[in-house]
Amino acid sequence: AQSVTQLDSHVSVSEGTPVLLRCNYSSSYSPSLFWYVQHPNKGLQLLLKYTSAATLVKGINGFEAEFKKSETSFHLTKPSAHMSDAAEYFCVVESGTYKYIFGTGTRLKVLA
Amino acid sequence: EAEVAQSPRYKITEKSQAVAFWCDPISGHATLYWYRQILGQGPELLVQFQDESVVDDSQLPKDRFSAERLKGVDSTLKIQPAELGDSAMYLCASSTRGGAVDEQFFGPGTRLTVL
Repeated sequence: AQSVTQLDSHVSVSEGTPVLLRCNYSSSYSPSLFWYVQHPNKGLQLLLKYTSAATLVKGINGFEAEFKKSETSFHLTKPSAHMSDAAEYFCVVESGTYKYIFGTGTRLKVLA
Repeated sequence: EAEVAQSPRYKITEKSQAVAFWCDPISGHATLYWYRQILGQGPELLVQFQDESVVDDSQLPKDRFSAERLKGVDSTLKIQPAELGDSAMYLCASSTRGGAVDEQFFGPGTRLTVL
């Protein structure tokens, strides 16, 4: 069965510094992987998706993620955090039957 | 930009009462999903529709929850009777055809509080 583990429930960074949100997945095959962001009182929004093409995936708002099969990881990064990046981030694995399996989320706090 | 609509945004009810949530997906999206998100956790799929047919309701507590999408467009999720443990955010999402790499578009959710 597919599963996803977000290694940090909370991450704090200073504005202008790099962001790293960690995600490990478990799958019996090479799955599709996604990162979604959830701002307060707003719906979940897709940041980026990996679909077995390029292993380095670029998304919206300067975010990118690298698929590493050997490490079963799909970490989300951004070179420079902005105050507007403060939100909850979810790593998602596709389960093989077009279903999403969500991680438990990482709350990103950006300090001024 | 097209969005998934949900109503109500907030619902407070007493246990043993019935509640219903409504979702209107993006026009033309054949696949519709209902998720439950408990505070501090990621969303969990309750039911998935392809057009008007249920394709997955394995995680839906069928003794108290029901969902329908009669004309393959909008959908209603019902809980009867509500229990304290049902307090959560209920999210609706839609996608074009439900493929493995299809982006799911999410509505703002309905926050349910059961007293």
